[in-house]
Amino acid sequence: NAGVMQNPRHLVRRRGQEARLRCSPMKGHSHVYWYRQLPEEGLKFMVYLQKENIIDESGMPKERFSAEFPKEGPSILRIQQVVRGDSAAYFCASSLSGTSGTNEQFFGPGTRLTVL
Amino acid sequence: AQSVTQLDSQVPVFEEAPVELRCNYSSSVSVYLFWYVQYPNQGLQLLLKYLSGSTLVKGINGFEAEFNKSQTSFHLRKPSVHISDTAEYFCAVSEGGYQKVTFGTGTKLQVIP
Repeated sequence: NAGVMQNPRHLVRRRGQEARLRCSPMKGHSHVYWYRQLPEEGLKFMVYLQKENIIDESGMPKERFSAEFPKEGPSILRIQQVVRGDSAAYFCASSLSGTSGTNEQFFGPGTRLTVL
Repeated sequence: AQSVTQLDSQVPVFEEAPVELRCNYSSSVSVYLFWYVQYPNQGLQLLLKYLSGSTLVKGINGFEAEFNKSQTSFHLRKPSVHISDTAEYFCAVSEGGYQKVTFGTGTKLQVIP
């Protein structure tokens, strides 16, 4: 049973380019979360999605960032016109349902974005 | 709003010695508490979680944590560490039944041979 998969594992972009990060949740999981980890910091919540719905995007920057979780296919975190400050590790997690106490979030290995 | 404080950014400890990693939280409602471990260049793995019931929670790899409501703490302990425990440890909290999890800034455990 494959875990949460993220690709690419490493992504290098130049300033102004677009970055697309993909996350395939564990089989049977319909809840996806994106977190950002800046160097020497903890994980910061960005967005919580269910299939075709954004439930909570309170941690997403207001501009340039967007996320989706379509009916078919992986969840996508999209960063437009990247800047150096976007360099970070982006982690995706999935869970079976939306009740935090009874359902563990399983984390993927992360995508490390470097903006030159 | 919920928050988590991990006061120790780095904790060096000799192999086979005991260790305690401190975590304090703040929340206006009942909480669920978690400890995760992150090995270099990997994702997070759940060590243990407190939902309700017994305040002493046992997790994987010999770790345990104690929930102290009066002190709003959830310290992680292991009686005898191994080299393989070298990693970064994150305390996390979520309020009520909602899935939004807030993480602390992490504590790097360095086990010295």
